[in-house]
Amino acid sequence: NAGVTQTPKFQVLKTGQSMTLQCAQDMNHEYMSWYRQDPGMGLRLIHYSVGAGITDQGEVPNGYNVSRSTTEDFPLRLLSAAPSQTSVYFCASSYRGAGGNTDTQYFGPGTRLTVL
Amino acid sequence: SQQGEEDPQALSIQEGENATMNCSYKTSINNLQWYRQNSGRGLVHLILIRSNEREKHSGRLRVTLDTSKKSSSLLITASRAADTASYFCATYSPGRRALTFGSGTRLQVQP
Repeated sequence: NAGVTQTPKFQVLKTGQSMTLQCAQDMNHEYMSWYRQDPGMGLRLIHYSVGAGITDQGEVPNGYNVSRSTTEDFPLRLLSAAPSQTSVYFCASSYRGAGGNTDTQYFGPGTRLTVL
Repeated sequence: SQQGEEDPQALSIQEGENATMNCSYKTSINNLQWYRQNSGRGLVHLILIRSNEREKHSGRLRVTLDTSKKSSSLLITASRAADTASYFCATYSPGRRALTFGSGTRLQVQP
């Protein structure tokens, strides 16, 4: 198992450019999430999905779009990059636990994005 | 806003000493989890404690949960230089189908 993979590892964008951060998992997990981590802070939830075709907003969704057409993939799209989106982005996945709880999350290695 | 707040923000100890980190949260939870993050890397799950549990052990880790005080603590015994990392608590709340993370404790273990 490769676990959770993210591409690219590093990216530099100019203000106004768009791009897609890729995330894939091979563990057949129902739940997938995107977080951003800013220096010295914890992770803030951007968007999440509880299954193919189902997505929902997290704490900081503005400026980002997601879709979930397959169980394996959960891409994050930046529509028009802004310097405030400079951050490290982590994708995570998990099983749907007993009672609908989200249990252990498995994280990808992250994408470090700089917007100039 | 962050659900959990860790205390202290930073902790420096000598190898062999115990390290204790605390986490407070604001709303009802189904479970609370602790994760470790080495510098520049992704997060690794350490331990999960459910709301009906009060204490849990895993190797050198001991986690307690006090739902009446909305707080948890993580104890790392006999620390090693390799334990140097940031530690985050994260909560799963009813009706919210993703984790909410605290701001983390940076642990430095001096050899």
